[in-house]
Amino acid sequence: GNSVTQMEGPVTLSEEAFLTINCTYTATGYPSLFWYVQYPGEGLQLLLKATKADDKGSNKGFEATYRKETTSFHLEKGSVQVSDSAVYFCALSQGYGGSQGNLIFGKGTKLSVKP
Amino acid sequence: DGGITQSPKYLFRKEGQNVTLSCEQNLNHDAMYWYRQDPGQGLRLIYYSQIVNDFQKGDIAEGYSVSREKKESFPLTVTSAQKNPTAFYLCASRPSGENTQYFGPGTRLTVL
Repeated sequence: GNSVTQMEGPVTLSEEAFLTINCTYTATGYPSLFWYVQYPGEGLQLLLKATKADDKGSNKGFEATYRKETTSFHLEKGSVQVSDSAVYFCALSQGYGGSQGNLIFGKGTKLSVKP
Repeated sequence: DGGITQSPKYLFRKEGQNVTLSCEQNLNHDAMYWYRQDPGQGLRLIYYSQIVNDFQKGDIAEGYSVSREKKESFPLTVTSAQKNPTAFYLCASRPSGENTQYFGPGTRLTVL
């Protein structure tokens, strides 16, 4: 079945450090891939997404590239800030009809950025 | 403002009582979802609904029930049959023809 695996946290970085959170997936066909962010005590917010191979999603300085050959969608940011401290979830969707519209989530990676 | 609202933010109940969590959206989205979040386990799907008056079980539906009488509303009832109901519950919605889900702020349920 479909699944998402992301690196376990917590990840602790100093401000202005480079961030990478690894995400790999197992799925048939061509799923859409997502990164969501959850700040403490809140719901999930869409951070970025990509719908086909070699697409790059980007938002707020974060980037992720859909790599079909390595079944990966790693999240990167060149210079993190304290305000980036949150839990990051990688997810996939097979489509939008019936259960294909359901999201399959990784377990989340907690990021803490120290000043 | 368009969005998804969940109420209340915090909910406390005694063991053995049923409790209903509210989820309302004014985004005109067709599909709605309920997830449960426990520490270190990510999100698990409880129920989902593609259209009004229709819903399907997700991965952990036992001990939960839902209704979808209106497009805007998808309430979740946590019954006394749910063995460990204390968790953070998230509602989401999705427009037809898209695969992005949009989340509400969540309700933290604590059963005493």
